[in-house]
Amino acid sequence: AQSVSQHNHHVILSEAASLELGCNYSYGGTVNLFWYVQYPGQHLQLLLKYFSGDPLVKGIKGFEAEFIKSKFSFNLRKPSVQWSDTAEYFCAVYSNYQLIWGAGTKLIIKP
Amino acid sequence: EAGVAQSPRYKIIEKRQSVAFWCNPISGHATLYWYQQILGQGPKLLIQFQNNGVVDDSQLPKDRFSAERLKGVDSTLKIQPAKLEDSAVYLCASRPGGQETQYFGPGTRLLVL
Repeated sequence: AQSVSQHNHHVILSEAASLELGCNYSYGGTVNLFWYVQYPGQHLQLLLKYFSGDPLVKGIKGFEAEFIKSKFSFNLRKPSVQWSDTAEYFCAVYSNYQLIWGAGTKLIIKP
Repeated sequence: EAGVAQSPRYKIIEKRQSVAFWCNPISGHATLYWYQQILGQGPKLLIQFQNNGVVDDSQLPKDRFSAERLKGVDSTLKIQPAKLEDSAVYLCASRPGGQETQYFGPGTRLLVL
């Protein structure tokens, strides 16, 4: 069965630092990939998604992710984080008509 | 456009009691999902409805959990009797036809004592 692995459970960065959050899924074929974000006290919301085409996907709030098929990866990046990026980030893969989720990465940005 | 609504937002019960959660999806979204999110983990699908029919309930603990979506709109999820390990956030999401993006409600945080 498909599974999703997020490498870090907690990440702490200072403002203006660059961010990369890792996400790997277990097997290939055609995949639809997602990053969702949950800000403190708010509901899960879509950050960006990849279905096909350009493997570099841009999302909201300056986030982007790169799909690397050979590595089964879909890492999330942001060149310069802000305090307001403090949130929990979830990677998910659409497989067999359902979303398979990673365990999430809690990101804390120090002002 | 109104989002996915859920109630209550918080619930504290004692073990062996019963509890029910309600979800109103985004208007026109045929597909509705209930997820369980335990602290420190990603959401786990409990049940998926397409209109008022069940598409997938393979991970629903059917001895204690039940869900319905009688008119293909609102849905309720019930736990009876609750166990300590049911303490979690219960998320409802909906999805329009022809898209894979799911839209989430705020969740119901359940604490079983």
